[in-house]
Amino acid sequence: NAGVMQNPRHLVRRRGQEARLRCSPMKGHSHVYWYRQLPEEGLKFMVYLQKENIIDESGMPKERFSAEFPKEGPSILRIQQVVRGDSAAYFCASSPIRQSSYNEQFFGPGTRLTVL
Amino acid sequence: GESVGLHLPTLSVQEGDNSIINCAYSNSASDYFIWYKQESGKGPQFIIDIRSNMDKRQGQRVTVLLNKTVKHLSLQIAATQPGDSAVYFCAGGTGAGTASKLTFGTGTRLQVTL
Repeated sequence: NAGVMQNPRHLVRRRGQEARLRCSPMKGHSHVYWYRQLPEEGLKFMVYLQKENIIDESGMPKERFSAEFPKEGPSILRIQQVVRGDSAAYFCASSPIRQSSYNEQFFGPGTRLTVL
Repeated sequence: GESVGLHLPTLSVQEGDNSIINCAYSNSASDYFIWYKQESGKGPQFIIDIRSNMDKRQGQRVTVLLNKTVKHLSLQIAATQPGDSAVYFCAGGTGAGTASKLTFGTGTRLQVTL
């Protein structure tokens, strides 16, 4: 059973360009979370999605950032008109839903975005 | 709880000694807590979890202690090995049977010396 997959692993963009980060959850997992990590800091929640639905986007910046998890295909985190402050590691996690316990999140290897 | 810092606190431990990593949290509503290990260039890896109605849980070489009175969590690693060198984060979540975001602490870097 493959783990959470993210690509690309490294992404370099110039200011003003768009960045697209992809996440394929573990098989059987229907929930995806995106987190951002700045150097020497903990992970900060951005958004939580189920298939075709955004459940919680309380951590998403109001502008330039969007996320989707279509019926088919990976979840996409999209950053428009990137700025240097967007440089960070972006981690995706997925979880199943179990009614009897909390739902452990499994993390992918991350995408390291560098904005020049 | 969450705090933002420019530099992670570092714990240096000699190989074979026990390590204790601490975490303070602010959200009393957390139903469970998880310790994650993050090696350089990798995603967080689950180590051990504890429900909020417990005060201690043991795994293989690791023990997590929860003190809800002072909102404090600790991770004890027995007989620390070089492979334990990493950054350790505590995280809190809510809701059994549902899915919810995790709130991460700042993290502690563990350095194991030979």
